[in-house]
Amino acid sequence: QQQVKQSPQSLIVQKGGISIINCAYENTAFDYFPWYQQFPGKGPALLIAIRPDVSEKKEGRFTISFNKSAKQFSLHIMDSQPGDSATYFCAAWGRTGANNLFFGTGTRLTVIP
Amino acid sequence: DTGVSQDPRHKITKRGQNVTFRCDPISEHNRLYWYRQTLGQGPEFLTYFQNEAQLEKSRLLSDRFSAERPKGSFSTLEIQRTEQGDSAMYLCASTVSGANVLTFGAGSRLTVL
Repeated sequence: QQQVKQSPQSLIVQKGGISIINCAYENTAFDYFPWYQQFPGKGPALLIAIRPDVSEKKEGRFTISFNKSAKQFSLHIMDSQPGDSATYFCAAWGRTGANNLFFGTGTRLTVIP
Repeated sequence: DTGVSQDPRHKITKRGQNVTFRCDPISEHNRLYWYRQTLGQGPEFLTYFQNEAQLEKSRLLSDRFSAERPKGSFSTLEIQRTEQGDSAMYLCASTVSGANVLTFGAGSRLTVL
């Protein structure tokens, strides 16, 4: 069973546009929600993260919006650049039980110049 | 510190052979994780260690898989009698207890012919 559901599977955005990736979860024991960026041939790298007591977190061009009641969160990339072309994974970390990170299935972002 | 190192980066083997991957975590990190990532999917948890103790194993970790972290530093993941379904990227990550941020290595890609 997929603990974290992610959409879309792929996304094509023009340079300068906004990229939006959505995720949803069911387990209310999750208490930390990071986003990872992965380039081909590399391991995932932490991009930005949020805790459920905060509704929004912004770091540069990257913003996480978090809706605790809906159990949904999303990544917004403003002014998307060709260098942002990568696969993005949302993830969730459990407070209790399994001490590991559950990943979504990934979104392959392509930013067209 | 050069981050999390994994070796080899690529391994091609014939079905039925044994393979071993090595992970060197960030030196001050006491937790070490193994994940498996197949094409187009997010990383899936396999197992993790706190110091030398293996604290959790996923159902994905069949009897043919064994992981060790004998001195609480580097770790090895061995796959015996490889099958074509084992073809994947094997990712190692490390962190400190209580932290929710995993730092990943570049991964070891396994191809089973």
